[in-house]
Amino acid sequence: DAGVTQSPTHLIKTRGQQVTLRCSPKSGHDTVSWYQQALGQGPQFIFQYYEEEERQRGNFPDRFSGHQYPNYSSELNVNALLLGDSALYLCASSLERRGDFRVQYFGPGTRLTVL
Amino acid sequence: TQLLEQSPQFLSIQEGENLTVYCNSSSVFSSLQWYRQEPGEGPVLLVTVVTGGEVKKLKRLTFQFGDARKDSSLHITAAQPGDTGLYLCAGPDNYGQNFVFGPGTRLSVLP
Repeated sequence: DAGVTQSPTHLIKTRGQQVTLRCSPKSGHDTVSWYQQALGQGPQFIFQYYEEEERQRGNFPDRFSGHQYPNYSSELNVNALLLGDSALYLCASSLERRGDFRVQYFGPGTRLTVL
Repeated sequence: TQLLEQSPQFLSIQEGENLTVYCNSSSVFSSLQWYRQEPGEGPVLLVTVVTGGEVKKLKRLTFQFGDARKDSSLHITAAQPGDTGLYLCAGPDNYGQNFVFGPGTRLSVLP
């Protein structure tokens, strides 16, 4: 049973470019959340996708967008890259359920460096 | 805005020592989670505490949720080099859909 997978592992871009990161959720999971983790900090919530729609969004600009496909896989797109976008981007998958007992499984992340 | 603070920020100890790390907030959380993250990997869930005053044990790790559900602690007994990593606490946000994370405590256990 494969866990959460992300691609690519590492990515180097220059300012102003655009990037697409990909995530495949754990088998059986239908919800995907994206987090940004800057060096030395905890993950910050970007947005969550469920049923192919963005359900909740954190405090990130519109340069950050996403998509979820019918097979539950997801993409994170970042336009007009800034130096400050350099971070580890984490994808977490979970199974939709009510209450606080949501268990998220994280992928290994994509390390994005913007030069 | 819900915020979680963690202390200490860094901790370096010798193998065999005991340690406690803390997670605090001015907000009440219905539950808190603890994760461990190793370099190059995503966070891995260790435990979820849901009841004020609750204590959970996971081998040498003891987790406690404060009575007022605003704080939590993680105590490690006889630390081992394999315990090295970033320890993160997280709680559900106001919408209950996702999680607010603390900045983490980076633990280094030296052999």
